[in-house]
Amino acid sequence: AQKVTQAQTEISVVEKEDVTLDCVYETRDTTYYLFWYKQPPSGELVFLIRRNSFDEQNEISGRYSWNFQKSTSSFNFTITASQVVDSAVYFCALSDPSVGSGNTGKLIFGQGTTLQVKP
Amino acid sequence: KAGVTQTPRYLIKTRGQQVTLSCSPISGHRSVSWYQQTPGQGLQFLFEYFSETQRNKGNFPGRFSGRQFSNSRSEMNVSTLELGDSALYLCASRLRLARDTQYFGPGTRLTVL
Repeated sequence: AQKVTQAQTEISVVEKEDVTLDCVYETRDTTYYLFWYKQPPSGELVFLIRRNSFDEQNEISGRYSWNFQKSTSSFNFTITASQVVDSAVYFCALSDPSVGSGNTGKLIFGQGTTLQVKP
Repeated sequence: KAGVTQTPRYLIKTRGQQVTLSCSPISGHRSVSWYQQTPGQGLQFLFEYFSETQRNKGNFPGRFSGRQFSNSRSEMNVSTLELGDSALYLCASRLRLARDTQYFGPGTRLTVL
């Protein structure tokens, strides 16, 4: 069965510290997509990144970086030099293969990690 | 380009009533999906519409239904509301069906008393 596990429920850091959010997934499909979304207190899910299963290249975007490792079924997210504005709930998500087409809009979300960055 | 919009943002209903939530996708996006977010169950997929047709459905009772109009706007309806239906309902749109990224709206916070 498809599943996403974010073992860290809450993380608290002091501003400027680096922090890594873990994501482990399970899927039977060979073609799939992984996502990270940020949910600030306003409630809207903000898209951060999408990675397909054939692209294991790490990605860096400003202070954000992502480490995708198929061998360990992990897609971890690191924030470098965290800031108070990074405080939010972060969700990792997996596309449901659904009949192998990959066309379904169904995302399977982890339970989320609440990140609190203190000044 | 405007993002996904949802109305209303907040709603209070009583048990047994029904409710209709609205979602307008990003201009040009033809697929709309709905999710329910609760503290206990997290984010769960309700259904997806594309070209006015339901393409996928999550594991929710028949009280939850939806539709999509020719302009891609979507509505979801919940009949005979239960206390457990209190949740944040999020709508997401994407350009097509083929593995495109979903972009979410701000959600509708439904409280059932």
